[in-house]
Amino acid sequence: KAGVTQTPRYLIKTRGQQVTLSCSPISGHRSVSWYQQTPGQGLQFLFEYFSETQRNKGNFPGRFSGRQFSNSRSEMNVSTLELGDSALYLCASSYSSGANVLTFGAGSRLTVL
Amino acid sequence: DQQVKQNSPSLSVQEGRISILNCDYTNSMFDYFLWYKKYPAEGPTFLISISSIKDKNEDGRFTVFLNKSAKHLSLHIVPSQPGDSAVYFCAASKDSGATNKLIFGTGTLLAVQP
Repeated sequence: KAGVTQTPRYLIKTRGQQVTLSCSPISGHRSVSWYQQTPGQGLQFLFEYFSETQRNKGNFPGRFSGRQFSNSRSEMNVSTLELGDSALYLCASSYSSGANVLTFGAGSRLTVL
Repeated sequence: DQQVKQNSPSLSVQEGRISILNCDYTNSMFDYFLWYKKYPAEGPTFLISISSIKDKNEDGRFTVFLNKSAKHLSLHIVPSQPGDSAVYFCAASKDSGATNKLIFGTGTLLAVQP
């Protein structure tokens, strides 16, 4: 059974650019959540999608957005990148919203110069 | 406002001994708690969880204890093995039946010395 797949694994952008990250959940999983990991801050919740609907959103500016497609694949977008957006972005999937035991992907490492 | 706190950034333990990782929380509405383990270049993997209606949950070498009055939980690993060396994250959820939003601590790096 394939795990959660995130692409790209590594990317470098410059300030002001935008970036789109992709996540393919485990087959059959309909809930996808996104987290940002930075040194000293742990993992911070960005948003959760279930059946193409945003179920919950964390305390991040509007530059951070996401969506989910009918096949449960999800993308997140960050516009007008800032240096502080450099982080590991983790996607996690589960069968349903409220299952809590999330399966994480390996993450997309974003560096903003 | 850090609602879930792991005050020890790192912990070093001898192989075969007990590892105790601690976690404190401030929100009494949390009803479900989890521990995740993370190796470098990999995503976090689920280890063990506990509902707020219990005070202990055990799975092999791993036991999680919950003290609701102190708003404290701990993860015990007995015996510790070198392969347990990783970053351990404590996480909490409220409305656990309706959302997958987890609040994570900042992690504790466990090093198990052979």
